[in-house]
Amino acid sequence: DTGVSQNPRHKITKRGQNVTFRCDPISEHNRLYWYRQTLGQGPEFLTYFQNEAQLEKSRLLSDRFSAERPKGSFSTLEIQRTEQGDSAMYLCASSRNIGNTIYFGEGSWLTVV
Amino acid sequence: AQSVTQPDIHITVSEGASLELRCNYSYGATPYLFWYVQSPGQGLQLLLKYFSGDTLVQGIKGFEAEFKRSQSSFNLRKPSVHWSDAAEYFCAVGSRSSGGGADGLTFGKGTHLIIQP
Repeated sequence: DTGVSQNPRHKITKRGQNVTFRCDPISEHNRLYWYRQTLGQGPEFLTYFQNEAQLEKSRLLSDRFSAERPKGSFSTLEIQRTEQGDSAMYLCASSRNIGNTIYFGEGSWLTVV
Repeated sequence: AQSVTQPDIHITVSEGASLELRCNYSYGATPYLFWYVQSPGQGLQLLLKYFSGDTLVQGIKGFEAEFKRSQSSFNLRKPSVHWSDAAEYFCAVGSRSSGGGADGLTFGKGTHLIIQP
């Protein structure tokens, strides 16, 4: 396994701009998760996919956030009209299926200025 | 709703000394329990997990944790710490009904481990 890969690792954007993060899960992992982590806090669950289907979304995921996993492989997380409060690390994770260990990527840092 | 409490925000330990990081969870049934470690600016690495069976779980890097149902605890231990253990440690709970999947993992706020020479 090559691990969960996230791009870009760092992104600085101006308030109001749109940003997109990409996640490539471990090969053959059916489940893909997005988490958000702010400084001094633990990761918070945002959403998850079972193959291409988005099955759960946290109330933290406002209308400005959208996640896709079109072919059941890689996923994108887009944030529209970014706000300073969106500054955080966005973590992607994947697992083979229910009951299997969830593996995390190294995260994508977003700074909104 | 499930929750995790890590009572210690910071812990300082001398190199070579033993370590115990506390974790208490709130969950209606027997959960899945995890400990992850995070180095600065990095993602999370799984140290160990408890799903069922033996309540003393061995992990990587010499860590172990013990699930105590009566105390709703899952404390992490290491008999002798190394300077490279300095990092942020997160305890997490997952729903048993979904295998930690359907609603994701719930993390504590973390414990920052400092190693003194």
